[in-house]
Amino acid sequence: RKEVEQDPGPFNVPEGATVAFNCTYSNSASQSFFWYRQDCRKEPKLLMSVYSSGNEDGRFTAQLNRASQYISLLIRDSKLSDSATYLCVVRQAGTALIFGKGTTLSVSS
Amino acid sequence: ETGVTQTPRHLVMGMTNKKSLKCEQHLGHNAMYWYKQSAKKPLELMFVYSLEERVENNSVPSRFSPECPNSSHLFLHLHTLQPEDSALYLCASSQEITGTSDTEAFFGQGTRLTVV
Repeated sequence: RKEVEQDPGPFNVPEGATVAFNCTYSNSASQSFFWYRQDCRKEPKLLMSVYSSGNEDGRFTAQLNRASQYISLLIRDSKLSDSATYLCVVRQAGTALIFGKGTTLSVSS
Repeated sequence: ETGVTQTPRHLVMGMTNKKSLKCEQHLGHNAMYWYKQSAKKPLELMFVYSLEERVENNSVPSRFSPECPNSSHLFLHLHTLQPEDSALYLCASSQEITGTSDTEAFFGQGTRLTVV
């Protein structure tokens, strides 16, 4: 079983749509969780950390369910500029980031 | 400007060549990483250096040899690579704090390597 699994997509949505990405992780010792964004031929950049209580940053909402080892990202009112690959990332204390394959989002006008 | 710079940005090398990738971070971080990103695969961790000591090596072939001379610089020495080693090689850095894993990693723009 892969450490971090994501639906690769692609998700093709119109502008203004709401889209949700899911991610599961296999190691129950994972302590920190993140969503990174990677644009085509660019490096990954942190989008947001994910906390147990859930957290929101503008149009983006992240949720964590430790019991189910499940992480989600919700994007509301999608913009063309949201088109990218979204990487689910987990980490245990004292170790490096472990990445999922990423979910590709394409927002069209 | 990400604070992590990698050179070269693109590299084409033959299977018998020796080359080195360079990474420099200007963020004052104490940990640096090499990741490999191949098409259709997740980022794969290759090496981790924390406080200039190698702490993790994910069974990477010996034709890849890392070097961390100080906390700001990281190298990846390449020797007798194979065509399947063609990929994007990403360097990252972070500030490790004992007892917490909730620290962000910052990536360089990567070196796109093609082995011919």
